Amino acid sequence: GENVEQHPSTLSVQEGDSAVIKCTYSDSASNYFPWYKQELGKGPQLIIDIRSNVGEKKDQRIAVTLNKTAKHFSLHITETQPEDSAVYFCAASKYAGGTSYGKLTFGQGTILTVHP
Amino acid sequence: NAGVTQTPKFQVLKTGQSMTLQCAQDMNHEYMSWYRQDPGMGLRLIHYSVGAGITDQGEVPNGYNVSRSTTEDFPLRLLSAAPSQTSVYFCASNRGLDSPLHFGNGTRLTVT
Repeated sequence: GENVEQHPSTLSVQEGDSAVIKCTYSDSASNYFPWYKQELGKGPQLIIDIRSNVGEKKDQRIAVTLNKTAKHFSLHITETQPEDSAVYFCAASKYAGGTSYGKLTFGQGTILTVHP
Repeated sequence: NAGVTQTPKFQVLKTGQSMTLQCAQDMNHEYMSWYRQDPGMGLRLIHYSVGAGITDQGEVPNGYNVSRSTTEDFPLRLLSAAPSQTSVYFCASNRGLDSPLHFGNGTRLTVT
């Protein structure tokens, strides 16, 4: 089955700096790569996702890049703010079409701390 | 919309006891799933459902049962609790195959 490795496990940055979290996946058939943010005491919430037919996607201060050949994808957060402090999870799945359910495999998570 | 509602928020069980974690969604989503979250291991899929009456196993199904009698509800049953089931459990729902998961706020379960 799919295996997703996420690095680093913890990341500490100063406010205004950029943060980068990287994930690698094992199944070359995976075609959907979401990123979730989890705040303390809450469930994860989708912040951005990318499909395998796209190399990069941006949403304001957040961007995700995908390298299908190398089987890795990364989350980039620019101009970090203290409210960006949270746990971030990458995930991967493959949709085979029809009614098949695309099971998400999650990375281990990255604890991001943004210091004011 | 309340989204995905999980009850209880916290639970302590003794080894061998059984219980049901409740999950309800009011978004009319077809797909629902249960994950457990353990330190350093991310979220792992326990069971999922693609519609009322249809369930299937995920990555770590042993020790858990599910049923889906309505679109709204997807309870998770622990048959005989074990310390290895100490975890935070999240229920999620989504509208379709390539739509994002909506998570509840979790149930923190401790088995002593």
